[in-house]
Amino acid sequence: QKEVEQNSGPLSVPEGAIASLNCTYSDRGSQSFFWYRQYSGKSPELIMFIYSNGDKEDGRFTAQLNKASQYVSLLIRDSQPSDSATYLCAVKGSYDKVIFGPGTSLSVIP
Amino acid sequence: DAGVIQSPRHEVTEMGQEVTLRCKPISGHDYLFWYRQTMMRGLELLIYFNNNVPIDDSGMPEDRFSAKMPNASFSTLKIQPSEPRDSAVYFCASSPPPWQASEQYFGPGTRLTVT
Repeated sequence: QKEVEQNSGPLSVPEGAIASLNCTYSDRGSQSFFWYRQYSGKSPELIMFIYSNGDKEDGRFTAQLNKASQYVSLLIRDSQPSDSATYLCAVKGSYDKVIFGPGTSLSVIP
Repeated sequence: DAGVIQSPRHEVTEMGQEVTLRCKPISGHDYLFWYRQTMMRGLELLIYFNNNVPIDDSGMPEDRFSAKMPNASFSTLKIQPSEPRDSAVYFCASSPPPWQASEQYFGPGTRLTVT
């Protein structure tokens, strides 16, 4: 079992729809969770982080964390073509080690 | 702030040659990470440092890979000898203290091609 897993993708949604990205992790000791966006040929950039169970909202983005289920998700409301990118889930586990998931490619169709 | 600086941005070398990648983290950041990204394996953590001390190098694929951080403003990742399967984008990232919820700031990456 991989340490961090994500929707295999690619995920396609129409413009204006909600995009839902999912991530599961294996280390129950994990403390912090991050969502990064990576455009093709660019480096990852942070969208959101969350470390408490529940929801965290920032503009069109909502991160959801359920530590009991070892599950974290990212919702993108009113998806825009500029949201088309690969989304990486990152988990900080034991000993401050950060592991990235394989990423989910999102395509927003105008 | 200039952000995390990496050099070179592109490197093409022949199999068997030594390759050195360089990274300057953001001033004041205590943590420095080296990642490798390929289509097949995604973003892999190779090694990370805290206050210039290597904390976990379990991701370093083989003895051909080595990393150093002689001071707070400079780190190198060396591959000797290089092989075609080392071709990837290598990212350096730094993170400020305290780190529990702090993001990592990535450099632009070095695209390595080994022929």
